[in-house]
Amino acid sequence: KNEVEQSPQNLTAQEGEFITINCSYSVGISALHWLQQHPGGGIVSLFMLSSGKKKHGRLIATINIQEKHSSLHITASHPRDSAVYICAVRSTTSGTYKYIFGTGTRLKVLA
Amino acid sequence: DTEVTQTPKHLVMGMTNKKSLKCEQHMGHRAMYWYKQKAKKPPELMFVYSYEKLSINESVPSRFSPECPNSSLLNLHLHALQPEDSALYLCASSQGDRANINEKLFFGSGTQLSVL
Repeated sequence: KNEVEQSPQNLTAQEGEFITINCSYSVGISALHWLQQHPGGGIVSLFMLSSGKKKHGRLIATINIQEKHSSLHITASHPRDSAVYICAVRSTTSGTYKYIFGTGTRLKVLA
Repeated sequence: DTEVTQTPKHLVMGMTNKKSLKCEQHMGHRAMYWYKQKAKKPPELMFVYSYEKLSINESVPSRFSPECPNSSLLNLHLHALQPEDSALYLCASSQGDRANINEKLFFGSGTQLSVL
């Protein structure tokens, strides 16, 4: 079992739909990142969370440290949101520079 | 400037070639990373430089040789690669402050490498 699990693995939505991507982890963490990767490779860091909730535009990220769970929500989804969304955690035992990555959620938003 | 710049974007090389990948950032970050990513898989850590010293080597074969000439530059020298080394190679950087748990990772757009 992976230390960082994401669900769903693949998601197709219609434009305008509310989307939720989940990340569960089994290790103690000091930080959790939500990353976005478009076809062609480049990765963009969307959020870094160590507690609570963050919002940026149509994106909202939450984390529940006790339940070892984080969610990424996209409101009013748009075709340009189509990408792979990756959850990555920095565990408390693996040192400052090591991140454990989830396998990603492939999101396709149809017009 | 909040960019990590990688060159080249694409590289095709033969198994006997020697080539280098370059990565540059001007954010004053003191930690720089090389990741390898195969299609539809998450990135795998290869190397980390912290304050221009090699901090982590994830048992990477010696045909990959990292170099950090200064705090802004990171190179990955490639020699005698195998076809299975074909992948997207991503560079990243972060502030490098061990006391700051809120460090953000900044990624470059990657070099798509094909080994023939």
